[in-house]
Amino acid sequence: AQSVTQPDIHITVSEGASLELRCNYSYGATPYLFWYVQSPGQGLQLLLKYFSGDTLVQGIKGFEAEFKRSQSSFNLRKPSVHWSDAAEYFCAVAPSGAGSYQLTFGKGTKLSVIP
Amino acid sequence: ETGVTQSPTHLIKTRGQQVTLRCSSQSGHNTVSWYQQALGQGPQFIFQYYREEENGRGNFPPRFSGLQFPNYSSELNVNALELDDSALYLCASSCRECKVETQYFGPGTRLLVL
Repeated sequence: AQSVTQPDIHITVSEGASLELRCNYSYGATPYLFWYVQSPGQGLQLLLKYFSGDTLVQGIKGFEAEFKRSQSSFNLRKPSVHWSDAAEYFCAVAPSGAGSYQLTFGKGTKLSVIP
Repeated sequence: ETGVTQSPTHLIKTRGQQVTLRCSSQSGHNTVSWYQQALGQGPQFIFQYYREEENGRGNFPPRFSGLQFPNYSSELNVNALELDDSALYLCASSCRECKVETQYFGPGTRLLVL
């Protein structure tokens, strides 16, 4: 069965600092990979996704993620964090194939930003 | 904001009762997925409906059931509610076999079981 591990439960960074959120997955083949953000009391917003091709993926709000097959990782990065980035971030995988979107999520990483 | 809406926004039930949650999918989307997000956890996949048929199910008991209607809106029904069913229930709509396949989540229904 597939699984997603986000090793960091809570990360605190200063505004303007760089950010990297870690994600490792366990899956039989290369899955589809996603990062979502959830603000308190809100639903999930897609930041970016990887299906195939270039392993460095650009997303919204200045986020990017890099797929590393050898490490089964899909880490999320941002060069300069803004206070509005404080939220919970979820990595997810889904079976590759048209339109499946049956996601397995990690437990999330809560990001706090110090002004 | 996405075009996915859910109702109600909040709900309080007692153990043993039944509940129905509703989801209206984004215009043009034919697939709806339901997720349960317990406090402090990531969402867990309950099931997915595609063109009114169940198209995949997670590790949830049969008392969790669903429907998808011809307009692709969907319902999640939970019978014999248990305390552990207290959670945020998220639906997500997507479009299979479309040129652009993106999934959008609704804001969720927060269910409290007492």
